[in-house]
Amino acid sequence: DAGVIQSPRHEVTEMGQEVTLRCKPISGHNSLFWYRQTMMRGLELLIYFNNNVPIDDSGMPEDRFSAKMPNASFSTLKIQPSEPRDSAVYFCASSPGTVYGYTFGSGTRLTVV
Amino acid sequence: AQRVTQPEKLLSVFKGAPVELKCNYSYSGSPELFWYVQYSRQRLQLLLRHISRESIKGFTADLNKGETSFHLKKPFAQEEDSAMYYCALGTGTASKLTFGTGTRLQVTL
Repeated sequence: DAGVIQSPRHEVTEMGQEVTLRCKPISGHNSLFWYRQTMMRGLELLIYFNNNVPIDDSGMPEDRFSAKMPNASFSTLKIQPSEPRDSAVYFCASSPGTVYGYTFGSGTRLTVV
Repeated sequence: AQRVTQPEKLLSVFKGAPVELKCNYSYSGSPELFWYVQYSRQRLQLLLRHISRESIKGFTADLNKGETSFHLKKPFAQEEDSAMYYCALGTGTASKLTFGTGTRLQVTL
């Protein structure tokens, strides 16, 4: 198993541009999570899905952020328009159930200039 | 509401010294507890789960329900243990984990 796959690994974009981050969870995992990590705020849960349905999006900072999971093998996190304060590492994780914990992807390092 | 507290932001120890990374949780039910490790600029990796009662890379953690703690311990620190360590709590509902703020372990010669 290739694990949780995220793309791109690095993204540099200009303020105001749309950014789309992608995640492929481990096959068979029914929960998917998007996290943001910064030095100032640490690890923050943005949104999570169970069986492709968004369960809790209370961590999504603003309407500029949106996430979708059209099927069990793919999810996107979109920022439109992007701002410099969105610069962070965005992690995707998947899980077959709480008792097993999460498996994290390698993250996308986003820089908005 | 559930909460995870890691009181130390930074723990600095000498190589060969014992290590204890503290984790306290707040939850009235039966908790599921985990330790994750993040090496520099890498992804978070599951280190161990309380349910497995295993030892990984020499680390162990025992769930103490009376003290609501799940401290991570290692008898002799190695340089390669330098990393960020996160404690996480699961409550069995909807697969969501609550993470602590993390402790940076720095092992020096």
